[in-house]
Amino acid sequence: GDSVTQMEGPVTLSEEAFLTINCTYTATGYPSLFWYVQYPGEGLQLLLKATKADDKGSNKGFEATYRKETTSFHLEKGSVQVSDSAVYFCALSSGGTGRRALTFGSGTRLQVQP
Amino acid sequence: GAVVSQHPSWVICKSGTSVKIECRSLDFQATTMFWYRQFPKQSLMLMATSNEGSKATYEQGVEKDKFLINHASLTLSTLTVTSAHPEDSSFYICRPDNPDFFHFGNGTRLTVT
Repeated sequence: GDSVTQMEGPVTLSEEAFLTINCTYTATGYPSLFWYVQYPGEGLQLLLKATKADDKGSNKGFEATYRKETTSFHLEKGSVQVSDSAVYFCALSSGGTGRRALTFGSGTRLQVQP
Repeated sequence: GAVVSQHPSWVICKSGTSVKIECRSLDFQATTMFWYRQFPKQSLMLMATSNEGSKATYEQGVEKDKFLINHASLTLSTLTVTSAHPEDSSFYICRPDNPDFFHFGNGTRLTVT
């Protein structure tokens, strides 16, 4: 079955540091890949997505590239801010019509210190 | 943009009572709605998939008699937690199935005392 593996957290960085959160996946076919962010006490926000190999998703300074050869979708940001402190979830969707449920990774907590 | 409205945002109930959570797709029709559950400090797990006009499908380990799902219209799906117990305390969140829309409702935080 489908699965997503994320790096263990928490990840603690100083403000303006470079961020990488690793994500690898196992899926049948050609899944779509996503990063979601969850701020404390809140719901999920879609951060970015990519639907095919070599696509790069980007939003709010975050980027991730769909690497089919390494089955990865690592999240990066060049300079993190305290406001980026949150839990980040990598997810995939491999179903067709009527079965676009998402499979989530375990989440990675990011703590950015001033 | 498209919006998913989930209500209530939070609820506290006593053990043994039932709680209904609504999920509305405001901008498009959704024949299928996904319901997820998130326990504290854990990831999201798919609980069930509701289908307009037919029975919901439940993931392994999810009690269908406890978590009643109704998808009576193309824009509304409801999840009722029946005879709630403290172990049902969790964050419940929905998302309509759409090839171009991958946003979630804001979620419902349920606390059973």
